[in-house]
Amino acid sequence: AQSVTQPDIHITVSEGASLELRCNYSYGATPYLFWYVQSPGQGLQLLLKYFSGDTLVQGIKGFEAEFKRSQSSFNLRKPSVHWSDAAEYFCAVGPLTGGGNKLTFGTGTQLKVEL
Amino acid sequence: GAVVSQHPSWVICKSGTSVKIECRSLDFQATTMFWYRQFPKQSLMLMATSNEGSKATYEQGVEKDKFLINHASLTLSTLTVTSAHPEDSSFYICSARGGLKGTEAFFGQGTRLTVV
Repeated sequence: AQSVTQPDIHITVSEGASLELRCNYSYGATPYLFWYVQSPGQGLQLLLKYFSGDTLVQGIKGFEAEFKRSQSSFNLRKPSVHWSDAAEYFCAVGPLTGGGNKLTFGTGTQLKVEL
Repeated sequence: GAVVSQHPSWVICKSGTSVKIECRSLDFQATTMFWYRQFPKQSLMLMATSNEGSKATYEQGVEKDKFLINHASLTLSTLTVTSAHPEDSSFYICSARGGLKGTEAFFGQGTRLTVV
């Protein structure tokens, strides 16, 4: 069965500091990996996704993520955090073929940005 | 990106009544829609997958008679919470994929349901 682990429930960083949110997955085949952001009371916005090719993926809002197959990880990074980045971040995994976008989500990481 | 709209954004209902939540894809034809439930401070749990014109496929543990899903057109799916109880209070989110948008799913803004 597929699963996603986000080990950090809460992270606090200062504005301008770098950020890394961890994501580890368990999947029986080549995964389709996603990072989403959710603001309070809102739906999810896709930040970036990976399914093949270059293992370093660029997304919106200055975010990037690196797929490391050997570590089963897909960590999200941003060089300089802005106060508006404060939100909940979800890592998700899904099948490349079949199953559509039947995604399995991690438990999320709440990001707080200190000014 | 594509636009998926949920309505209402929030709803309060009395215990025992039914509530209908709509999920619309505004600028593409959604052949597949997904309904998720999110408890406070927790992740999204997939409830069911619906393909247009077909019966929804429910995840294990989700009562299909309680959470009625209809996907009668390529732009609209509805989730009806029947005989709602306080424990059904939650944040419900839909996502939709299909047509020219390919395999990516786009999420609605969610509906906060409170049963009193």
